[in-house]
Amino acid sequence: EAEVAQSPRYKITEKSQAVAFWCDPISGHATLYWYRQILGQGPELLVQFQDESVVDDSQLPKDRFSAERLKGVDSTLKIQPAELGDSAMYLCASSRGRSPGYNEQFFGPGTRLTVL
Amino acid sequence: GDSVTQMEGPVTLSEEAFLTINCTYTATGYPSLFWYVQYPGEGLQLLLKATKADDKGSNKGFEATYRKETTSFHLEKGSVQVSDSAVYFCALSDENTGGFKTIFGAGTRLFVKA
Repeated sequence: EAEVAQSPRYKITEKSQAVAFWCDPISGHATLYWYRQILGQGPELLVQFQDESVVDDSQLPKDRFSAERLKGVDSTLKIQPAELGDSAMYLCASSRGRSPGYNEQFFGPGTRLTVL
Repeated sequence: GDSVTQMEGPVTLSEEAFLTINCTYTATGYPSLFWYVQYPGEGLQLLLKATKADDKGSNKGFEATYRKETTSFHLEKGSVQVSDSAVYFCALSDENTGGFKTIFGAGTRLFVKA
C-alpha cells in the first residue's frame, strides 16, 4: 500500500540553526500539504502545492520558513533560523486533487522537531 | 473565520461502552465535514466524511451525521474496543469561502480500558 514518506522522523536542533524536512508523496498525487501540529492542538496548514506551484502559503511565516516542490514530486520544508516556538510535529500530506471533499488526504508519520 | 470546536479529552471508557465525541463548527458557507483518527505512533487517517447536510458518514462502526441546523457533526460508536484508543480530530473544508484549506479541531484523546 502506497504511503507518504517523511524524513527525518525526529530532529533536535538549537535555536538559530537551520533545519530541513523532506516529504515524498504518494505517486500520482498532484496536491501536497505541509502542516504544523503543536502538542495538544490540531494540524494547521502551512503551505499547499498543486504540482510544483504554491497555491496557499498564507499561514507560512515567510521570514524564516520556505518550501519547495521543484519537480512537482517530493518537497522540502526549511526553517532558518529555528526558534524555540517552532518545536512541533511537521506533517506532510498528499491527495490526487485539491478538493478535500472529494480527494482524501493521506498523511505521513510526521517529523517531530525540538528546538533547544 | 471558519472554525471547529470539539469536546476536550481525554475520554476514558470501558470496552463495549457507547462513544460520543461532540463537534460543532462555524462556517459561512456549506462545508464538507470530516473525522480523522491518529493512532499512537501513526499519521492521521481519514475515518469518515460528509459533504452535505443530512449526510451520514460511516466507517469501522463509527458514524456521524451532518446537522446543518445545529452546526454539528458528532462522532458515535455503539461499542468501543481497546483498539479504538487514539486521538480523534473533527475538521471542515469550505471551498466556497475558505479555498481548499482543511481546518482541524484540537483533537479528543480516547482511552478504552479492557
